[in-house]
Amino acid sequence: EVQLVESGGGLVQPGGSLRLSCAASGFTLSSYWMTWVRQAPGKGLEWVANIKQDGSENYYVDSVKGRFTISRDNAKNSLDLQMNSLRAEDTAVYYCARGRDYHIYWGQGTLVTVSS
Amino acid sequence: DIQMTQSPSSLSASVGDRVTITCRASQSINKNLNWYQQRPGKAPKLLIYAASSLQSGVPSRFSGSGSGTDFTLTISSLQPEDFAAYFCQQSYSTPPERTFGQGTKLEIK
Repeated sequence: EVQLVESGGGLVQPGGSLRLSCAASGFTLSSYWMTWVRQAPGKGLEWVANIKQDGSENYYVDSVKGRFTISRDNAKNSLDLQMNSLRAEDTAVYYCARGRDYHIYWGQGTLVTVSS
Repeated sequence: DIQMTQSPSSLSASVGDRVTITCRASQSINKNLNWYQQRPGKAPKLLIYAASSLQSGVPSRFSGSGSGTDFTLTISSLQPEDFAAYFCQQSYSTPPERTFGQGTKLEIK
């Protein structure tokens, strides 16, 4: 059974940092692009970043470029999102999802709250 | 960047109704359009990929159509569990920076 489990969310002050992780199981992580998608409270879905199977390519939405870094460790079946210089507008539930073009499998999400 | 615009933003309907949700891309995306359903507090669920392909396990009352810039998601006969939010997503852009529509909230009349 494919499972994606996010962790690392929480309350952080503006300007602070947080590292999200996504533990993957039930499939071979190294075979798939992986994606982070977020959803601000009461708002729609926003694509955040994705990363190629071997980590050689990664892409970001403009609003997080230079602040967020997506990475993966295929040996540990793990996907990460390092978030620096956090802003109030980064407050959201962050989902990891399998795939680049469309996402059959999603995690349950982890809530990041940026507030003083 | 490719912008995706859904309409309507919200929709009230009754069980048994036929409903259509529209998604328009700011440029041609061929058939690289996907639809998701999201119930409150849950992760999104893929319904349709490549504009018209039904994801395995999704009821046949859901269908998708369109190509180029204009796409539709149709639910032929609404069931109680279909009252949820629906999002379109383009998967055409290179580099692969994906975008979602703003969503359509389907509510019970």
